[in-house]
Amino acid sequence: EAGVTQSPTHLIKTRGQQATLRCSPISGHTSVYWYQQALGLGLQFLLWYDEGEERNRGNFPPRFSGRQFPNYSSELNVNALELEDSALYLCASSLGGRFTGELFFGEGSRLTVL
Amino acid sequence: AQRVTQPEKLLSVFKGAPVELKCNYSYSGSPELFWYVQYSRQRLQLLLRHISRESIKGFTADLNKGETSFHLKKPFAQEEDSAMYYCALGGYSGAGSYQLTFGKGTKLSVIP
Repeated sequence: EAGVTQSPTHLIKTRGQQATLRCSPISGHTSVYWYQQALGLGLQFLLWYDEGEERNRGNFPPRFSGRQFPNYSSELNVNALELEDSALYLCASSLGGRFTGELFFGEGSRLTVL
Repeated sequence: AQRVTQPEKLLSVFKGAPVELKCNYSYSGSPELFWYVQYSRQRLQLLLRHISRESIKGFTADLNKGETSFHLKKPFAQEEDSAMYYCALGGYSGAGSYQLTFGKGTKLSVIP
């Protein structure tokens, strides 16, 4: 069974540009979560999508946005990139409905902002 | 607000020695606690959850609501236990939506 896949693996942008990261959940999973893992800060919750709807949002500015497509894949967009956006962005998926706490993570997309 | 604190960034123990990875949480409701682990060059994965009260790879964790702690323990460390360990808290945020909040992680190094 294929795990959560993320693309691209690495992305280099300059300040002010936009970045788009993509995630495909495990087949059958309807919930997708995005986390930012910046150096020394651990995993910071960004967004949660389920059944195409945004269910929850972490404490990030509006320039962090995303969406979930009908096939449950998801996209994270970061506009007006800043240097501190450089981080590993992790996507995770889970079955929909009652959350059991088990997230299945991808390998991440490393974004570098110059 | 939900908060998870892992006071140790790095913990080094000798093989065969007991291990205790500390986790404290802050949450006003009834918490759900989890431990996640990331081995070298592998993905972050669930190790155990408090509600299951199970032992995985020799690790156990007991939820202590009085001390708001969920420490991870193993009586005899093995070299293959070397990894990054994250404590996570599941609960409802102010907006009423469920959220899984992670600590900053503790790197466990088991010395042969």
